[in-house]
Amino acid sequence: GAVVSQHPSWVICKSGTSVKIECRSLDFQATTMFWYRQFPKQSLMLMATSNEGSKATYEQGVEKDKFLINHASLTLSTLTVTSAHPEDSSFYICSASVGPHEGNIPETQYFGPGTRLLVL
Amino acid sequence: QKEVEQDPGPLSVPEGAIVSLNCTYSNSAFQYFMWYRQYSRKGPELLMYTYSSGNKEDGRFTAQVDKSSKYISLFIRDSQPSDSATYLCAMSEDNAGNMLTFGGGTRLMVKP
Repeated sequence: GAVVSQHPSWVICKSGTSVKIECRSLDFQATTMFWYRQFPKQSLMLMATSNEGSKATYEQGVEKDKFLINHASLTLSTLTVTSAHPEDSSFYICSASVGPHEGNIPETQYFGPGTRLLVL
Repeated sequence: QKEVEQDPGPLSVPEGAIVSLNCTYSNSAFQYFMWYRQYSRKGPELLMYTYSSGNKEDGRFTAQVDKSSKYISLFIRDSQPSDSATYLCAMSEDNAGNMLTFGGGTRLMVKP
């Protein structure tokens, strides 16, 4: 259980184009989804937190007009990188949270497989 | 100073060795501690979580939390080449996982 998918798994695009990445929770409903960016050999950097039906909360330094997040349903969130540039090339990972549950089982984030974006 | 510190490695061990992966943190309010495993070019996979101090065992993996020292560990017994990955610690103040703080990850290589 708790499977999260992302599509596409990789994308190459020209500078100036927009790219949409989908994140789906396949076997559960996720009230909250998260978007991270990861550069080579570095840890995850949280970009934004997305709650179904409301506007995303962006981390400091993340441009909300450049990284558009839509969380239309409890199983789907999308990240659109608008007017992508080479410096946006990175590994984008989403996660969806489940819980918390009784017995000190915390709300747990389950991650998607990631989308590798290369902007030429 | 980062809130969560983790030695980036790489840590190279022979197959069958006991591996010790560690994180230190500065926020004494952290109560929930998690370990994720991330294979190259893949998303992180939750391995274990622990609440407060103490040990938790799951197969070859043991998670240990010492809140007095602000130090957590993940031990891997009888390490296998398939354990080669980056291991990320993560922690939060409460059981609402929307405020996870990640360590930088330790790259582990288990050589056959």
